[in-house]
Amino acid sequence: SYVLTQPPSVSVAPGQTARISCGGNNIGSNSVHWYHHKPGQAPVLVVFDDSDRPSGIPERFSGSNSGNTATLTISRVEVGDEADFYCQVWDSHTDQQVFGGGTKLTVL
Amino acid sequence: QVQLVESGGDLVKPGGSLRVSCKVSGFSVSDYYIHWIRQAPGKGLEWVSYVSSGPAYTNYADSVKGRFTISRDDAKNSVELLMNSLRVEDTAVYYCARRLATERLDLWGQGTLVTVSA
Repeated sequence: SYVLTQPPSVSVAPGQTARISCGGNNIGSNSVHWYHHKPGQAPVLVVFDDSDRPSGIPERFSGSNSGNTATLTISRVEVGDEADFYCQVWDSHTDQQVFGGGTKLTVL
Repeated sequence: QVQLVESGGDLVKPGGSLRVSCKVSGFSVSDYYIHWIRQAPGKGLEWVSYVSSGPAYTNYADSVKGRFTISRDDAKNSVELLMNSLRVEDTAVYYCARRLATERLDLWGQGTLVTVSA
C-alpha cells in the first residue's frame, strides 16, 4: 500500500515561515491535500490539489508538489496556527484514501 | 446549514458491536461520496471506509474489512457504520467527511468517540 511520510514535529517562531514535508513514491503524480487538526475539533482542509486554497483559508497557506515530496508552506506563522497537519492522497490501486502520519506544528 | 454530525459513540466490550451515524444537513447524501476516518488516542488519522454516490459502492481499510459495514439511508439523509467484532485497537474518534472531486475531503463532522474496553 502507498505510504506517506511526514516529520513528527516542526517548530517555528511567530512571524517566520514553516515548511511541512510529505514524502511518497512519485507523489508528484498525485493530487495532494492538506488538513489542519486541532484537539477536539473537526479537521479542516487548508490546501487541495497540491496548491489551491479553499475559500476562507488565508493566503499564508500554500503548497507545492514535485517528484517524491509535497510541501505545505505557512508564511508569517501565528500562534493560532498551532495544530497537527496531515497530507492526504488517493491510492488509485486500492481505491483508498491515504494519510501521512501527521506533523505537530509548534509556534515557539 | 451544510454540516455533518456524528452520533452513537459509546463504551463497548471487546467482541461487541456498535452502530455510529453521520447525519447530513444542507446537501443530499446520495450526491456525494461519504467517508469515515478515525483517530486513535495519540495517533494520526486513519481512513476506514467510504460509500459512493449513486449506486452506493463501498470500500474498506484492510484493518476493518469483514467486521465493519457502511450503509447509506437516503430517506434519513445519513450514513451509518456498523462495527462488529470490535477490538481494543478500534478505540478512536470516528469522523465522517464529504468527498469532492480529486478525492479531497472538504467538510468533516466533529467526531464521535468509540471506546472498546473490558
